[in-house]
Amino acid sequence: GDSVTQMEGPVTLSEEAFLTINCTYTATGYPSLFWYVQYPGEGLQLLLKATKADDKGSNKGFEATYRKETTSFHLEKGSVQVSDSAVYFCALSDLSGGSNYKLTFGKGTLLTVNP
Amino acid sequence: GAVVSQHPSRVICKSGTSVKIECRSLDFQATTMFWYRQFPKQSLMLMATSNEGSKATYEQGVEKDKFLINHASLTLSTLTVTSAHPEDSSFYICSAEGDSYNEQFFGPGTRLTVL
Repeated sequence: GDSVTQMEGPVTLSEEAFLTINCTYTATGYPSLFWYVQYPGEGLQLLLKATKADDKGSNKGFEATYRKETTSFHLEKGSVQVSDSAVYFCALSDLSGGSNYKLTFGKGTLLTVNP
Repeated sequence: GAVVSQHPSRVICKSGTSVKIECRSLDFQATTMFWYRQFPKQSLMLMATSNEGSKATYEQGVEKDKFLINHASLTLSTLTVTSAHPEDSSFYICSAEGDSYNEQFFGPGTRLTVL
């Protein structure tokens, strides 16, 4: 079945540091890939997505590139802010099995950015 | 656009009682809604998928008679936790998907505490 493996946290950085959160996946078909962010006490918000190989999703300074050859979708940001402190989830959606956009999530990575 | 609300945001109940959680799509018609459960510091676990007007499809290991899901209209789905016990305490999150969208939109979540 489909699965998502992401870097375990927690990750603690100083403001303006470079961020990478690794994510790899296994899927039977051609999945779409997502990064969601969850701020404390809130639900998930879509951060960015990519629907095919070599696509780059970007939003709010975050980027991730769909790498089919390495089955990866690593999240990066060049300069993090305190307000980026949250839990980040990598996810995939694979339609090939008729899953109707059912999402498979990684375990989440807690990011804390200190001033 | 594409806003999903949940009510209540927090609920505390006594063991043995039933609790109903509502999930509404505010500005679009949700043909499919999903219910997730999230344990502390863990990922989201899909509980069930519901399509408007039909019975929900439950994931393996989720008790249908304990977690009753109704998707009576294109803007409302409800999750009823019947005869709740302390082990049902968790964060429940819904998401919704419409025909014109290619992604799920998440509600803010409901924190259930069973005493």
